[in-house]
Amino acid sequence: EPEVTQTPSHQVTQMGQEVILRCVPISNHLYFYWYRQILGQKVEFLVSFYNNEISEKSEIFDDQFSVERPDGSNFTLKIRSTKLEDSAMYFCASSSDGFSGELFFGEGSRLTVL
Amino acid sequence: TQLLEQSPQFLSIQEGENLTVYCNSSSVFSSLQWYRQEPGEGPVLLVTVVTGGEVKKLKRLTFQFGDARKDSSLHITAAQPGDTGLYLCAGPHGGGFKTIFGAGTRLFVKA
Repeated sequence: EPEVTQTPSHQVTQMGQEVILRCVPISNHLYFYWYRQILGQKVEFLVSFYNNEISEKSEIFDDQFSVERPDGSNFTLKIRSTKLEDSAMYFCASSSDGFSGELFFGEGSRLTVL
Repeated sequence: TQLLEQSPQFLSIQEGENLTVYCNSSSVFSSLQWYRQEPGEGPVLLVTVVTGGEVKKLKRLTFQFGDARKDSSLHITAAQPGDTGLYLCAGPHGGGFKTIFGAGTRLFVKA
């Protein structure tokens, strides 16, 4: 069964460092997403991406964040200068229909900022 | 203010009991989804409800969409320890292909 894969599963970094989280969405999906979940809290929308551009972003997704689809398979989230409060689980998701709400999530990348 | 309010936040029951969890909003949604999330993993889609008043069954799970498409419920019959997890409701909101999530109901089923 097709699945969304994310790497790394866990990354520990120092405050101020750049981090890149990688995702391989399901191959025939066209809509891509990043969500964040701080430990014990809700799943928060960060950004949606379609047709090689950002469709919508939340207030969390400030200038420190960027997304890219560098080739036909990968979808990345970059945090330029990490802060302590960026520590969270980051989930990539993909969908075949951007309006359906039916998302397929990866296993997540746990980011710990020290 | 949460767009999707879920209740209860936490539920601990014995194996074999029935339960219902709720997802409410003041906004109309074109559809609502229910996901289940286990610790350390991503949410997994269980079902989508689209039509007001719709009822969908998935084995022991029954999902209902309110007539006005502002609320939904999930009923589990004869809960089992394997049902333990975080149940999230979600729905498409606004433009830009955005899906928002409720805070979830954390269910614990004791053997």
